Amino acid sequence: EDKVVQSPLSLVVHEGDTVTLNCSYEVTNFRSLLWYKQEKKAPTFLFMLTSSGIEKKSGRLSSILDKKELFSILNITATQTGDSAVYLCAVEAGYGGSQGNLIFGKGTKLSVKP
Amino acid sequence: EAQVTQNPRYLITVTGKKLTVTCSQNMNHEYMSWYRQDPGLGLRQIYYSMNVEVTDKGDVPEGYKVSRKEKRNFPLILESPSPNQTSLYFCASSLWGTNEQFFGPGTRLTVL
Repeated sequence: EDKVVQSPLSLVVHEGDTVTLNCSYEVTNFRSLLWYKQEKKAPTFLFMLTSSGIEKKSGRLSSILDKKELFSILNITATQTGDSAVYLCAVEAGYGGSQGNLIFGKGTKLSVKP
Repeated sequence: EAQVTQNPRYLITVTGKKLTVTCSQNMNHEYMSWYRQDPGLGLRQIYYSMNVEVTDKGDVPEGYKVSRKEKRNFPLILESPSPNQTSLYFCASSLWGTNEQFFGPGTRLTVL
């Protein structure tokens, strides 16, 4: 059975700290891995990763994928209270040229204290 | 403004009364999808569609139907809702091959 596991489930840090969120997966026909941020509303897209070892970066957020060890990490440096959210990892499984279904992890709830 | 809209945003209904949650996107996206989100279970995909008249089951399709007659619309149909379908539902869309999915605002459904 396909699964995506995120750790930790929750995390409390102080402003300025650096955090690393983990996502491991077991999926047949892996196509891509995605990170989303969910505040008290709909998820918003952060990154899509398809190739191992290539870091994606956006401001203080960065992410990398290891397809051999089947995991990804999301790093947030110099955290701010506005980074408080649930971070979701999702893996796309698919066949051939089709766009497949997304399997989400349960999320990591990050709380950043002032 | 590029967006995904869902209606209604909130709905309380009773067991067995058929309902439809509409989803519409104005970005000309090929791919659309429905999810439900439950505490402790995360987001789970119900159905997805790669284009008009092409739909496929996600992880939790039981009790739901969808249709994709037009590119912009992807309604979710509950023929006979049950209390275990009480949940927060999200519709999402993306361009073919990108998976940068844009999510709608969510529909909170309660089935009594």
